[in-house]
Amino acid sequence: GEDVEQSLFLSVREGDSSVINCTYTDSSSTYLYWYKQEPGAGLQLLTYIFSNMDMKQDQRLTVLLNKKDKHLSLRIADTQTGDSAIYFCAERAVNDYKLSFGAGTTVTVRA
Amino acid sequence: DAMVIQNPRYQVTQFGKPVTLSCSQTLNHNVMYWYQQKSSQAPKLLFHYYDKDFNNEADTPDNFQSRRPNTSFCFLDIRSPGLGDAAMYLCATSRAEGNTEAFFGQGTRLTVV
Repeated sequence: GEDVEQSLFLSVREGDSSVINCTYTDSSSTYLYWYKQEPGAGLQLLTYIFSNMDMKQDQRLTVLLNKKDKHLSLRIADTQTGDSAIYFCAERAVNDYKLSFGAGTTVTVRA
Repeated sequence: DAMVIQNPRYQVTQFGKPVTLSCSQTLNHNVMYWYQQKSSQAPKLLFHYYDKDFNNEADTPDNFQSRRPNTSFCFLDIRSPGLGDAAMYLCATSRAEGNTEAFFGQGTRLTVV
């Protein structure tokens, strides 16, 4: 999606933290999402954050939202080999129900 | 239990031979989407249904059609598949209000020979 941008690749060592970044352009975004896609599979919702929140934590996942800079990040603590996948950021605008997806960040976890 | 089910998982079709992919849902969501995803790219929305209303994306080729006979089922028809239509096809569903998170099926990998 041209309105949502992500870096394409991230390599991280097993056990370290991963941080995946996303920027979006629509200031009216209401919900922002992180999806995970493993090879040959569909997209799985990991977590989401409502636009009136700054942070959301769910076990090893932490989402940070900076509305002023239109920046969203996903931090994965203690990254495991099973976290290797493509991660998509998505936004929902206030007057729409469809999601706009970023191009995806391929995360590779090395031993 | 799978909530969005796509069949088949893998489909091989001949160049120019019509093919239909199917999707069913148990979530009773009023919106159903079809996405095309090529290797290492983001899913590209082809069209979606809001209840019975069909909404086509402006750049979706006429070769792609869809049917939604009832709330639970939605079909993607490719009238004359070309080699460039080989891709993963993803079906998703969502509500239309509030948190409209999309629930995806496992996808159908289409190969055109």
